Amino acid sequence: KQEVTQIPAALSVPEGENLVLNCSFTDSAIYNLQWFRQDPGKGLTSLLLIQSSQREQTSGRLNASLDKSSGRSTLYIAASQPGDSATYLCAVDGGGADGLTFGKGTHLIIQP
Amino acid sequence: NAGVTQTPKFQVLKTGQSMTLQCAQDMNHNSMYWYRQDPGMGLRLIYYSASEGTTDKGEVPNGYNVSRLNKREFSLRLESAAPSQTSVYFCASRSRDRGNTIYFGEGSWLTVV
Repeated sequence: KQEVTQIPAALSVPEGENLVLNCSFTDSAIYNLQWFRQDPGKGLTSLLLIQSSQREQTSGRLNASLDKSSGRSTLYIAASQPGDSATYLCAVDGGGADGLTFGKGTHLIIQP
Repeated sequence: NAGVTQTPKFQVLKTGQSMTLQCAQDMNHNSMYWYRQDPGMGLRLIYYSASEGTTDKGEVPNGYNVSRLNKREFSLRLESAAPSQTSVYFCASRSRDRGNTIYFGEGSWLTVV
């Protein structure tokens, strides 16, 4: 059974810092990996999707990397802003019909 | 484009009552999912439907039933609500092409007292 772990569980940093969120998974036979953002009281919004054949994806200040063989992904946020405060979730798609396996998330606070 | 729409957004039930959470998507997606989200537990899959006419159990199906009414709609029913079912419920959908992003509804907050 796939297990997804996110470290740290919570992170608080001053505005302007670059930061890295970590995600690890136990079964490297994945189809793709996604990073989501969740604001309080809201649903999940997809940030980046990395196919198993890819090493990284970039969107604006966000960069996600994937090392499938070691079972790791990182989400890099450059020049953090207070508006980046949210919970970030990592999810792995094993390619089956049953969708994604989620980590428990990293709760990020960017201090103004 | 509404995406994935869930109703109701908030509901308070008494133990033993029944209710149905409704979900509809307008993106012509084949696959639909119901997750629950609890503090410290992350999102867990309750049921899913890979295509119209099929449904399958996920990780935590006990106490729930589902219906894939048509391609657009996938409902989740609590037949006899229990306090352990107090949670936030999310419906999601995606296309048969598994490389496509999964889209989530805004969530339904359910409290069972």
